[in-house]
Amino acid sequence: AQSVTQLGSHVSVSEGALVLLRCNYSSSVPPYLFWYVQYPNQGLQLLLKYTSAATLVKGINGFEAEFKKSETSFHLTKPSAHMSDAAEYFCAVSPGGYQKVTFGTGTKLQVIP
Amino acid sequence: GAVVSQHPSWVICKSGTSVKIECRSLDFQATTMFWYRQFPKQSLMLMATSNEGSKATYEQGVEKDKFLINHASLTLSTLTVTSAHPEDSSFYICSANGGTSGRAAGELFFGEGSRLTVL
Repeated sequence: AQSVTQLGSHVSVSEGALVLLRCNYSSSVPPYLFWYVQYPNQGLQLLLKYTSAATLVKGINGFEAEFKKSETSFHLTKPSAHMSDAAEYFCAVSPGGYQKVTFGTGTKLQVIP
Repeated sequence: GAVVSQHPSWVICKSGTSVKIECRSLDFQATTMFWYRQFPKQSLMLMATSNEGSKATYEQGVEKDKFLINHASLTLSTLTVTSAHPEDSSFYICSANGGTSGRAAGELFFGEGSRLTVL
C-alpha cells in the first residue's frame, strides 16, 4: 500500500520568497515520487520525479525536491516565488514503473505581490 | 514531448443521458491508461486502470456498470458515464503509460481533463 500526506492545504508566500511545500510518503516498496502542478480547469503537468536515482531532483520552472528516506519526505522547494507559480500542487507516489499513482490532497499556493 | 489528449474538454448533459469521454495518446502507444476523478477542491481519485484489449480494473467503490471503460486500441481509451446524474458532475482526467520502449518509455502522461456537468 502507498500513500502521501501533504501538510498544509493552503500556503501563501510573498513574491521572491522561498517556496516550501511539504510531502511525506508511505510505501511498502521503494517508491517513485512525483510533484505535479495544476492550473484551474486544466490537467496535470509534471514538475519533477524521483525514480531511485539522485536524491535531489531538479524540475521545471526552478523547482526541486529532495528524497529523504530517513524522514520519508519529498518536499518541494523553489528559492524565489513568482506570480505565475500560483496554482495547486500535488505530491504523488507509485510503486514503480509508472503504474498506479496515488495522489495527495493537494496544496494551493498563493503568491502575494 | 508526448501528448495525451482528452475530448471533450467540457460537456453539459441532462440527467439520465450517457456521456462518452475519449482519451488519446497522440504520438505513442499506451498499453495502460488510467482514469481519475477530481471533485472540486479535492485530490484525484483513481477510478480504474484500463488495459488495451482486456477488461478494466476498477477501484473499490467505483461502479463498473456506471462508468464503462473501453480500451479498444493502443492509442484510445474511452470512459462512458451511463445514465448520468448531478452527483456524477466532476472533472475527469486520464493518464497514459508510455510503455517500456520508444520515446515515451517509462513516462506517465496526463490529459487536460474533461469537466462534466449534469443538469
